[in-house]
Amino acid sequence: NAGVTQTPKFQVLKTGQSMTLQCAQDMNHEYMSWYRQDPGMGLRLIHYSVGAGITDQGEVPNGYNVSRSTTEDFPLRLLSAAPSQTSVYFCATGQGYEQYFGPGTRLTVT
Amino acid sequence: QQQVKQSPQSLIVQKGGISIINCAYENTAFDYFPWYQQFPGKGPALLIAIRPDVSEKKEGRFTISFNKSAKQFSLHIMDSQPGDSATYFCAASSNAGNMLTFGGGTRLMVKP
Repeated sequence: NAGVTQTPKFQVLKTGQSMTLQCAQDMNHEYMSWYRQDPGMGLRLIHYSVGAGITDQGEVPNGYNVSRSTTEDFPLRLLSAAPSQTSVYFCATGQGYEQYFGPGTRLTVT
Repeated sequence: QQQVKQSPQSLIVQKGGISIINCAYENTAFDYFPWYQQFPGKGPALLIAIRPDVSEKKEGRFTISFNKSAKQFSLHIMDSQPGDSATYFCAASSNAGNMLTFGGGTRLMVKP
């Protein structure tokens, strides 16, 4: 029972490149979300999903796309990476009031 | 505009001392206030949480105090230990625990 897994752990991109951050959960939760963590800013919600086929925007959605075709997976796509997207990205899943976070992906955009 | 403000940004406490971290919120629709603990290289993990219908919740050495009228809540770590050294985040939610709004975080160091 892995909980929440994220790949890759580290990634370096050049400005303008695209990539997908993967997130998978085996906890059978309907709710999944993506946060970015920046120093002094805490974690900020990017996108979230309340179930397969349903997604919505969080606080900082610009530059990111998501889709949810299965309960288990919730990938985050960067369409055209910018240096401002340098951050640590966390995927989370939950049921009710407890959210479980993955180990994170550290992304650097040069 | 940060809806949840957390202080201090960093805190150094001697082993056995009390660590206190404070948070203030603006949105009165928030109805769930968790604290998360994060160790380096790891994701945040739920530590303790409170609803606004109680003024205090204690779990072991960790206590949340909640002041609804002042829109403030705080985390107290009693008998702080070096193993408590981590970053602590307060958060708030109004959507069944989903869509957490986080404070900026407090890096706690407990000196042996």
